[in-house]
Amino acid sequence: DTGVSQDPRHKITKRGQNVTFRCDPISEHNRLYWYRQTLGQGPEFLTYFQNEAQLEKSRLLSDRFSAERPKGSFSTLEIQRTEQGDSAMYLCATSGGDNEQFFGPGTRLTVL
Amino acid sequence: GQNIDQPTEMTATEGAIVQINCTYQTSGFNGLFWYQQHAGEAPTFLSYNVLDGLEEKGRFSSFLSRSKGYSYLLLKELQMKDSASYLCAVHNDYKLSFGAGTTVTVRA
Repeated sequence: DTGVSQDPRHKITKRGQNVTFRCDPISEHNRLYWYRQTLGQGPEFLTYFQNEAQLEKSRLLSDRFSAERPKGSFSTLEIQRTEQGDSAMYLCATSGGDNEQFFGPGTRLTVL
Repeated sequence: GQNIDQPTEMTATEGAIVQINCTYQTSGFNGLFWYQQHAGEAPTFLSYNVLDGLEEKGRFSSFLSRSKGYSYLLLKELQMKDSASYLCAVHNDYKLSFGAGTTVTVRA
């Protein structure tokens, strides 16, 4: 257990539905990242927050994806009008003053 | 762009040594991470190399050559629990760019 928690751990939804995932970081960590990982691949960067500011969004993050980090604490990642191609593991990672990123257990999304 | 290559699979015997190579061509470089990931679990930190040379940490060692764009992870005295995917990741500014991972299978 790294201290980063994610909820839910698993989500099954039908195509076209909206889903929201939550990440709770290690309390003193000001940087928070979202990654997506598909089977047989490494994690791919989606977006990055420093405190409450979203500083970068990957081209992978289409308009259907939105992420927030109100008050610089927990973060949410919402996917609207889900597609089968969105099925993946969504990983949250956080870091403090050094460079190491601590990963949460991930949310596995299955879109039927 | 980012190009990070590592072998897809490796198999070794319990007690043996395995070396996982990683080559990279990236637009920026601050350092190189190695993570271990068991099936269905999150990646966990193994090592971080910023300068050239070998970093040793127990049974695991990691090497970096920045001029060659090359790193390796050395696993010694392999144990069954070392069966996992090993991810090479380039640290650039604040984000990580990962390779596809190397699945290591340890056989008795």
